Amino acid sequence: TQLLEQSPQFLSIQEGENLTVYCNSSSVFSSLQWYRQEPGEGPVLLVTVVTGGEVKKLKRLTFQFGDARKDSSLHITAAQPGDTGLYLCAGARDDYKLSFGAGTTVTVRA
Amino acid sequence: DAGVTQSPTHLIKTRGQQVTLRCSPKSGHDTVSWYQQALGQGPQFIFQYYEEEERQRGNFPDRFSGHQFPNYSSELNVNALLLGDSALYLCASSALAGRRTQYFGPGTRLLVL
Repeated sequence: TQLLEQSPQFLSIQEGENLTVYCNSSSVFSSLQWYRQEPGEGPVLLVTVVTGGEVKKLKRLTFQFGDARKDSSLHITAAQPGDTGLYLCAGARDDYKLSFGAGTTVTVRA
Repeated sequence: DAGVTQSPTHLIKTRGQQVTLRCSPKSGHDTVSWYQQALGQGPQFIFQYYEEEERQRGNFPDRFSGHQFPNYSSELNVNALLLGDSALYLCASSALAGRRTQYFGPGTRLLVL
């Protein structure tokens, strides 16, 4: 059983459209990370959020950590083909080991 | 500044064999964690090493063992390989002060036949 549930599992959109990926849990996390992974490569860190209600922006990507620190979302504005990849959320509790969601595969069509 | 490096990149073994995977952490990092990622799934935590000791362990059998060296590099050993051990093995490093944030290497793809 995954500690973190990601939705949707797959997302295919046209270039220029917006998308949102959700990461939900019944557990409270001290921090939450979002990663993007290309096939056959390791996950690349996008952002770390640590405060409930925190919103971080990274160019066209907006990350939000829920007030109760149990959920998070990733919103991409005006998606580009370069945004294609597997998006993973990972939560850390006091023991610092990361618990990952199963991932959301995003495909942006040109 | 080199990031996390892992070797080898790919490996093919047969059932019952043993394998050793290696990881060098990012410069300035002293903590190494290992993860197993099966196809189509998120990474699963195996264990974490700090100060040459195993500090945390996930739900993996004793066939999975590790080591951390004084220079902070680490090895993952898997004995008596099973077909189900086929996966991408990822190493992540972090610094004590910011251990929440882990940086991943490119992984080692292990295929057990």
